[in-house]
Order: sequence, then C-alpha cells, then structure tokens
Amino acid sequence: SYELTQPPSVSVSPGQTARITCSGDALTKHYTYWYHLRPGQAPVLVMYKDTERPSGIPERFSGSSSGTTVTLTISGVQAEDEADYYCQSADNSGTYWVFGGGTKLTVL
Amino acid sequence: QVQLQQWGAGLLKPSETLSLTCAVYGGSFSDYYWSWIRQPPGEGLEWIGEVNRTGSTTYNPSLKSRVTISLDTSNNRFSLRLSSVTAADTAVYYCARDLGYGYGMDVWGQGTTVTVSS
Repeated sequence: SYELTQPPSVSVSPGQTARITCSGDALTKHYTYWYHLRPGQAPVLVMYKDTERPSGIPERFSGSSSGTTVTLTISGVQAEDEADYYCQSADNSGTYWVFGGGTKLTVL
Repeated sequence: QVQLQQWGAGLLKPSETLSLTCAVYGGSFSDYYWSWIRQPPGEGLEWIGEVNRTGSTTYNPSLKSRVTISLDTSNNRFSLRLSSVTAADTAVYYCARDLGYGYGMDVWGQGTTVTVSS
C-alpha cells in the first residue's frame, strides 16, 4: 500500500524555523495537505494545494514542493505551534486518501 | 460557520458493530464530501472512507469489507458503521468535511473515543 513518510520528530527553539517534510512517490501527481493536531483537540488544516494557507492560519506557515517531497515550514516558531503535524495526499491511483505517520514538533 | 457534531457508543465488545453519526450545522450539506478518520492510541491518523453528495462512497481498502458510510440528507447527517470490531479498532474517531480535490478537510468533529474491550 502507498505510504507517505515523515520524520517522527522535529525540535526547534522559539523564533527559529521548523521544516517538516513529507515524501511519497505520487506527490508529483497529487496535492498535499497539512494538519496540526494538539492533544485533546481535533485536527486543523494548515495548508492545502501544497502551498495555500487557509484563512486564519498565521503567515509564518508556508508550504513548498520539490519532486517527491513536500515541506511545511514554520518561520519564527512559537510555543503554541507545538503539536503533531500530519501530511495527507492521494495514493498513486488518486482514489484513496493517505496520511503520513505524523511529526511531533517540539518547541524547546 | 459550519460545525460538525458527532456521537455514538464509546464502549464495544469484540465482534460488535461500531456506529457513529455526524451532524452538519450551519452550512450546505450537499456540496461536499464527508469523511471519517480515526487515530488509534499512540498512532497516526488513518482515513476510513468518505461519502459524496450523491451517496457514492469510497473506502480505505484495508477496512472496506467492514465499513459502511451513509448519508441522511433530510437531517444533514452522515454515519459510519464498522462491523466485527476488535481491539485494533480502538481509536478516536473523527468526522470531517472534505472540500474536494485540492482543498483538504477544513472542518472536523470533536472526536469520539471508541474502546473495544471484552
């Protein structure tokens, strides 16, 4: 089955830049979406169409894509950004949604 | 402001059927896809399946044999049924609105914890 690969963890100090990657063979064909998930809360969409930010998401969140890897970048990380981040995309056939394994962002 | 409110039984015995419902408030029900996603304890998100406005469904192949997602357009609700549950189905289950290709799941229910235990 199709998989999206994320690093298990990323750690940064406040004010630094965090980069979370998501890799998958079909990412050149399909858009990627990003969500953050805090304990006890529902997931929140923070990026769609690889690089588009939903309304209400701070400008410090940005997305980029290069080949089979997409990256969520958080510039000037704040303590409130500490959460698990998941990428989502479609499988090779474009039929099914797949989530990455998740990345725990720790703000030191 | 669209809101999703979900409910259902939180404790099941092995072999029983999980049943959850998600109600849509404050927005159009007929223009989008409606998904179910789950997160087992200590694990990541897993997409279960979705239903569109016509009632057409797509299911995760790993769960397809046990899953049914249905639409109740008269009450702006959609439902999940997962049969023959085991401990591996213990998870927080979420409903979500999927705006369609390119746009992602922008509104989520509050989550329902489902535990399968004998």
